[in-house]
Amino acid sequence: TQLLEQSPQFLSIQEGENLTVYCNSSSVFSSLQWYRQEPGEGPVLLVTVVTGGEVKKLKRLTFQFGDARKDSSLHITAAQPGDTGLYLCAGLQGGGADGLTFGKGTHLIIQP
Amino acid sequence: DTAVSQTPKYLVTQMGNDKSIKCEQNLGHDTMYWYKQDSKKFLKIMFSYNNKELIINETVPNRFSPKSPDKAHLNLHINSLELGDSAVYFCASSQDSVPGGTDTQYFGPGTRLTVL
Repeated sequence: TQLLEQSPQFLSIQEGENLTVYCNSSSVFSSLQWYRQEPGEGPVLLVTVVTGGEVKKLKRLTFQFGDARKDSSLHITAAQPGDTGLYLCAGLQGGGADGLTFGKGTHLIIQP
Repeated sequence: DTAVSQTPKYLVTQMGNDKSIKCEQNLGHDTMYWYKQDSKKFLKIMFSYNNKELIINETVPNRFSPKSPDKAHLNLHINSLELGDSAVYFCASSQDSVPGGTDTQYFGPGTRLTVL
């Protein structure tokens, strides 16, 4: 059973457009993280959201944690080619002794 | 300085062989992890470990075993390699005093294992 569903799986858009990536679950998470992974490298943490309804901004990236702590979204404004990569959401449940549960990722390509 | 390093970067081997992947972190972190990323880029936790506790994902075959000579290292040993073991293996570390806390996990660059 896949606990975290990400959509879309693949997204290719033009530079300057806006986009939103979704991370959904039927389970409650104590916290949720977003990572970005580039080819040949490990994932790099972008943000951690902990409180239901929390919104965090990182330059052109806006992250939101759902009120019920079951879902999250990542919105990118005016996408740039440097935003290209694999975006992964990952959640911690309860005490987190099982480590992070990852979604399957969204492959994002920004065309110049 | 590299925070979390893994060796080798690439590993190609025959079915049935035994191999090890090394991981070192110079962050002074208390907890280390091993993840497996399959061909579809799905990342799955294999082990969480600090000097007090080893947590094993129940789906990991017992052919896989973590070995920690000291706090800065967590090596992954794999016995009797199978075709399905081919994947990218990532080591990670965090400051958490117990595995699976909310502190940032720092990932290594990965080891691409190909079993022929």
